[in-house]
Amino acid sequence: NAGVTQTPKFQVLKTGQSMTLQCAQDMNHEYMSWYRQDPGMGLRLIHYSVGAGITDQGEVPNGYNVSRSTTEDFPLRLLSAAPSQTSVYFCASSSSWGKETQYFGPGTRLLVL
Amino acid sequence: DAKTTQPNSMESNEEEPVHLPCNHSTISGTDYIHWYRQLPSQGPEYVIHGLTSNVNNRMASLAIAEDRKSSTLILHRATLRDAAVYYCILRKRKSNFGNEKLTFGTGTRLTIIP
Repeated sequence: NAGVTQTPKFQVLKTGQSMTLQCAQDMNHEYMSWYRQDPGMGLRLIHYSVGAGITDQGEVPNGYNVSRSTTEDFPLRLLSAAPSQTSVYFCASSSSWGKETQYFGPGTRLLVL
Repeated sequence: DAKTTQPNSMESNEEEPVHLPCNHSTISGTDYIHWYRQLPSQGPEYVIHGLTSNVNNRMASLAIAEDRKSSTLILHRATLRDAAVYYCILRKRKSNFGNEKLTFGTGTRLTIIP
């Protein structure tokens, strides 16, 4: 089991560029989420999915798109990067919503110039 | 939305017990209390969770107040590896599937003194 994997580990973008952060899990988890963590802050939920084909917005969804075509993958797309999106991004998965453990990936560090 | 309040930082001596408090006075009956910790430059790591009763696992114990408005994470014998930021969060039994506002807060930075 690889658990939750994220690529890339680090990325530098220029303002206005687009990119996709990849997240994959091999635990057959239905629930997947994306968080961002700004320096000195806790994690904030961007988008989440309760199963293939079903996604919804979290607390800070603006500027990000997601899709869930398979159980395993949950990519996060930045359509037009802005300096305010400089952050560390974590993907997480769990087998259910409330009572089960969330497993987190190692994170993607994004710098937008 | 229910939120949690934790002290910004705590210190403890190595090999002594540590009690990390969390207040969640607006908790609802469907909220599970979860604790995660984050070591430097890593993703959060699950520690323990509970609903109403106290819980024990190999990492820690979770003591939940009778009214569920507060909880305490107990590390029985702190080691240097336990130095991390500890987050207390509430997760609903089921996603409301409508603008979920799950926020970790700033957590408690635990320093272990050798």
